[in-house]
Amino acid sequence: DAGITQSPRYKITETGRQVTLMCHQTWSHSYMFWYRQDLGHGLRLIYYSAAADITDKGEVPDGYVVSRSKTENFPLTLESATRSQTSVYFCASSVRQPNNSPLHFGNGTRLTVT
Amino acid sequence: AQSVTQPDIHITVSEGASLELRCNYSYGATPYLFWYVQSPGQGLQLLLKYFSGDTLVQGIKGFEAEFKRSQSSFNLRKPSVHWSDAAEYFCAVGMDSSYKLIFGSGTRLLVRP
Repeated sequence: DAGITQSPRYKITETGRQVTLMCHQTWSHSYMFWYRQDLGHGLRLIYYSAAADITDKGEVPDGYVVSRSKTENFPLTLESATRSQTSVYFCASSVRQPNNSPLHFGNGTRLTVT
Repeated sequence: AQSVTQPDIHITVSEGASLELRCNYSYGATPYLFWYVQSPGQGLQLLLKYFSGDTLVQGIKGFEAEFKRSQSSFNLRKPSVHWSDAAEYFCAVGMDSSYKLIFGSGTRLLVRP
């Protein structure tokens, strides 16, 4: 089925370790996004990508790295995980610019950093 | 700076009762407006959107929202709530000047039997 898939659904890692969260979409949407969701903060944009090989920072990019070598994949890497990065991470895609086009979300990855 | 405010963190209503969730934004021009719903353990799903035209928009699951420019508001309504509507609701605003959406902090809806 077409859609947006995130993996893993749950991840526990230790402080200082590198961890990569995967995101794959089958719609060939141009735009992809990574958000983190924390209680009281709603969703905050980490990074976004307008097309393959084009990425840009969102509101809270520090400590994260992204790449987009293929249109359908947009992995998010925490280079050296910290406890403050414990959160639920959502990947999303849209066919056009998200200010006037609906976002399609994955089911999220719950990351715990111990 | 642009912002979105959802003043109610939690709302509890009885099944069958009407519902209104509030959303206010701060932006100088007419924004693009969205309501998303998030069920437990799921990603967000679009309920409805407003880009232009009729200020009363209809969405999925019987929801509607009204854009009021004078009040900078985009409140979500439903005439009769069902138990399955229990979820978290997010208002979001898009602007011509940016690719990004700004999300409110969400309102959690609880439905009493």
